[in-house]
Amino acid sequence: NAGVTQTPKFQVLKTGQSMTLQCAQDMNHEYMSWYRQDPGMGLRLIHYSVGAGITDQGEVPNGYNVSRSTTEDFPLRLLSAAPSQTSVYFCASSRPGGNTEAFFGQGTRLTVV
Amino acid sequence: AQRVTQPEKLLSVFKGAPVELKCNYSYSGSPELFWYVQYSRQRLQLLLRHISRESIKGFTADLNKGETSFHLKKPFAQEEDSAMYYCALSATLNAGNNRKLIWGLGTSLAVNP
Repeated sequence: NAGVTQTPKFQVLKTGQSMTLQCAQDMNHEYMSWYRQDPGMGLRLIHYSVGAGITDQGEVPNGYNVSRSTTEDFPLRLLSAAPSQTSVYFCASSRPGGNTEAFFGQGTRLTVV
Repeated sequence: AQRVTQPEKLLSVFKGAPVELKCNYSYSGSPELFWYVQYSRQRLQLLLRHISRESIKGFTADLNKGETSFHLKKPFAQEEDSAMYYCALSATLNAGNNRKLIWGLGTSLAVNP
């Protein structure tokens, strides 16, 4: 009954470091996405995937890479962290279709110093 | 333009008082709308969707296409309703069938004893 699992929950990076935020879901959902949540900005879509091997950019993709080699996993990579990437990151998964529920991970609070 | 507007950042009411969280949308197609809730230190989760026309935890929301609104209402607020509430619109991503969620900025509801 895990749903969407994100790791780590907290991370502090130095400017220029790289890291990968992990996201896994066990519901066999085709759609997965990454959002960042910033004060006064709501949730903004970074990247999304409609199935294994297929990814695309969202609203704020710069500085982030994704891949989707399996249905279950959708990691988010920060290649060279910047202070502007300090945020709370959420991974979500859902079935295709307009009225389906999105299931969220518990979030990763990232601070870049 | 596809947009979701939640005009109130913060709404503070007393326990037992009625509460209404406003949501207005802009979308050229047939809208599919949701309310998500984030309780303190918990993950974002679906509260209700307009197509279900259901009441969850005493909350209801009616889609008003004339006023392009999807306000969330509860007749008697409880302290446990204190949370962040997000209105979201399911919109097409591209020419295909893929969809994304467009989020409002959220309203923080505080229910005081």
